[in-house]
Amino acid sequence: DSGVTQTPKHLITATGQRVTLRCSPRSGDLSVYWYQQSLDQGLQFLIQYYNGEERAKGNILERFSAQQFPDLHSELNLSSLELGDSALYFCASSSPRGVQETQYFGPGTRLLVL
Amino acid sequence: GQQLNQSPQSMFIQEGEDVSMNCTSSSIFNTWLWYKQDPGEGPVLLIALYKAGELTSNGRLTAQFGITRKDSFLNISASIPSDVGIYFCAGQSYNTDKLIFGTGTRLQVFP
Repeated sequence: DSGVTQTPKHLITATGQRVTLRCSPRSGDLSVYWYQQSLDQGLQFLIQYYNGEERAKGNILERFSAQQFPDLHSELNLSSLELGDSALYFCASSSPRGVQETQYFGPGTRLLVL
Repeated sequence: GQQLNQSPQSMFIQEGEDVSMNCTSSSIFNTWLWYKQDPGEGPVLLIALYKAGELTSNGRLTAQFGITRKDSFLNISASIPSDVGIYFCAGQSYNTDKLIFGTGTRLQVFP
């Protein structure tokens, strides 16, 4: 158990809909990262938040957005869903250890868009 | 998106055999990480490498950070059935926290 929790574990929805994925980082971790894992793309970095502020952006679509709340949990919002958005979405968290930050992953949310 | 080249793509081995996989990049990384992912689960950190040339062990696992900082390898000795899963390398540059992942090596161990 990494200490990172994600809900829901599974999500089935239709094209055009909007969903929200939730992540609670490990106790004390300030950074939250979101990744997408699909069969043909591997693990792709989407976005990072640090203590409530956006810190880095990866290949995140404009239809997707995220935020980190004062209690440090984070939500990833996916809107106008398309079939190709079906994937595993992982959240990871970290805290600085000197100059290095080791990321620990949650169990993921499996999204299926029909 | 950017991905690291990881090989082999799949391995089918017998229990007790040693395993070796590697990861290469066109970019220099400051940190190399190796993760294992079981079906339906998130990646679990196995080994973290922070210095070029560093060789680190974690039980039967050994990983090295290449001297050029553009590659890393992972060895598993005396494989057992619970080693089955997908192994990912990940690189991290000095000026960013985000990880760039390899394409993964799927390991299957037969008794």
